[in-house]
Formats: sequence, C-alpha cells, structure tokens
Amino acid sequence: NAGVTQTPKFQVLKTGQSMTLQCAQDMNHNSMYWYRQDPGMGLRLIYYSASEGTTDKGEVPNGYNVSRLNKREFSLRLESAAPSQTSVYFCASSDEPRGSYEQYFGPGTRLTVT
Amino acid sequence: DQQVKQNSPSLSVQEGRISILNCDYTNSMFDYFLWYKKYPAEGPTFLISISSIKDKNEDGRFTVFLNKSAKHLSLHIVPSQPGDSAVYFCAASARYGNKLVFGAGTILRVKS
Repeated sequence: NAGVTQTPKFQVLKTGQSMTLQCAQDMNHNSMYWYRQDPGMGLRLIYYSASEGTTDKGEVPNGYNVSRLNKREFSLRLESAAPSQTSVYFCASSDEPRGSYEQYFGPGTRLTVT
Repeated sequence: DQQVKQNSPSLSVQEGRISILNCDYTNSMFDYFLWYKKYPAEGPTFLISISSIKDKNEDGRFTVFLNKSAKHLSLHIVPSQPGDSAVYFCAASARYGNKLVFGAGTILRVKS
C-alpha cells in the first residue's frame, strides 16, 4: 500500500515550457487535491476533485490545469511555466466519512522555473 | 486575507519540556480543525484533529485545545522529544466542506 505517489520528485523548467505533474493514490479515496507550498505561506489549494469526473478551482488556480483521469489519478499541468510557479507541489487525497476531513499527502514535487 | 494564522514562525524548546503551538482563525464557519506535521523533503502527515463540539482532544503526548469564543486553538506536546522537530501546520474546514485552509506553519526545534 503506497498511499499517495507523485512523479517527478524534482524538475527544472525554463520559462514558457510545459509539464505535467502526476499523482496517484491506492486508498480508493474519492477526493484528490493539488497544493503548492511557498515559504511563509503554508499550503495553498490549486485545484481539487471531489469525485471522479469533477474538478474545481481552489485558491490559486491561475496558470494551471488539472485532469482527474480516473479514481486513482489526478494530474496537474503547467501549460507555460513562469518563475512565479517555482514551488513545492503536493498532491493529497481524502475519503470523507462523516466528521473526518483528514487528507493524506504525497512526498511532493520540487519545481524550479528559470 | 489569511483565515488561519500561525503567528509564531518558529519555536525552540528543551527536550522534556512542553511545546505549545498556537493557531488563530477568523472564519466562524470552520467546524473541524487539524494539525499536520512535516519533515523536510516529505509530505505533511496528519497528527491530531478536533471537532468544534469538543474543546479538547488528546492522543498520547499530543493534546489539542479549542477555544471557540476566541477562535483559537493550540497544540501541546508533552514531553517534547528531538524527533518532534518539524514544521507544524494548523488547518481548518467548514461544515460539509472537504477543503482545508492551512496556516503558514510553525517550525519547532526541540533541543537535546
């Protein structure tokens, strides 16, 4: 049981390049999330998917797109990378039994845009 | 507008003593609160949570206190251990919502 996995672990892009961050979970969770973590700002929600086939914007969606490929996989795409997107990206998943909002996080992808 | 605030960027505590991490929130719709712990180069891991119908929840060395009238919660770690050195994030969620709002985090250093 791997939990939440993310690829790649590290990536360096030039401004204007595109890339897709991959995320998969094996816990049969309904909801999946993409966050970015920047110094002094905690984790900010980029996009989330409450169930297979649905996606919604979070707090900082500009410059990103997502795809909920199936129940297991949720990808984040940067179409034209900008230096402001240099960050650590975390994918998370959750299954919300009544009264619990615990999310399980992957190990993160450290992205640098030059 | 930060809805969840952790005003102390860092905290240093001696091994064996109590660590107290604080968190304030502004949204009165928040009804579920969580603490996450994060080591360098790893994802955050869930530590402990509390529902707004309670004012205290305990799990081993970790206790979370909630003061709804002050919109304040705190995490107590007793006794603190060097392995507790990490970044601690406070998070909150609103009724029927599945989105978490995170604070900026507090770096805890436990000195041996």
